[in-house]
Amino acid sequence: GNSVTQMEGPVTLSEEAFLTINCTYTATGYPSLFWYVQYPGEGLQLLLKATKADDKGSNKGFEATYRKETTSFHLEKGSVQVSDSAVYFCALAGGGSEKLVFGKGTKLTVNP
Amino acid sequence: NAGVMQNPRHLVRRRGQEARLRCSPMKGHSHVYWYRQLPEEGLKFMVYLQKENIIDESGMPKERFSAEFPKEGPSILRIQQVVRGDSAAYFCASSPQGREQYFGPGTRLTVT
Repeated sequence: GNSVTQMEGPVTLSEEAFLTINCTYTATGYPSLFWYVQYPGEGLQLLLKATKADDKGSNKGFEATYRKETTSFHLEKGSVQVSDSAVYFCALAGGGSEKLVFGKGTKLTVNP
Repeated sequence: NAGVMQNPRHLVRRRGQEARLRCSPMKGHSHVYWYRQLPEEGLKFMVYLQKENIIDESGMPKERFSAEFPKEGPSILRIQQVVRGDSAAYFCASSPQGREQYFGPGTRLTVT
């Protein structure tokens, strides 16, 4: 079945540092890939998505590229801010199913 | 356009009681999904519904859990005879057909 493996945290960075959160997947066919962000006490917000190989999703300075050859969708940001502190979830949908399959989440803390 | 609404936001039940969680999808969205988030874990799919139909309930526990999405009114996730292991955050998401899912703020269920 479909699965998502993402880098375990927690991750602690200083403001303006470079961020990478690794995500790899296993899926049949051509899934759509997503990154969601969850701020404390809140629901999930869609951060970015990609629906086919080599697509790059981007939003709020975050980027991720759909790499079919490495089955990866790593999240990157060049310069993090304190306000980026949250839990980040990688997810996929595909294989004829609309349900989302999530990774376990990576907690990011950015210190001033 | 209001987002996905869930209520209550917090629910406390004693063991053996019933819990009813409500979800109102975004306007124009006819697809509803329920996910459960256990402490320190990612989200797990439970059930996918369209108006008056259950499309995929592969993630629902076989006993005590049921879901509905009636023609009028919100979607309801019902848990009968709750146990401590049911304590979790329950998230609802909605989507227009075949597109990304938008999440509500969640209902945090505590079973005492």
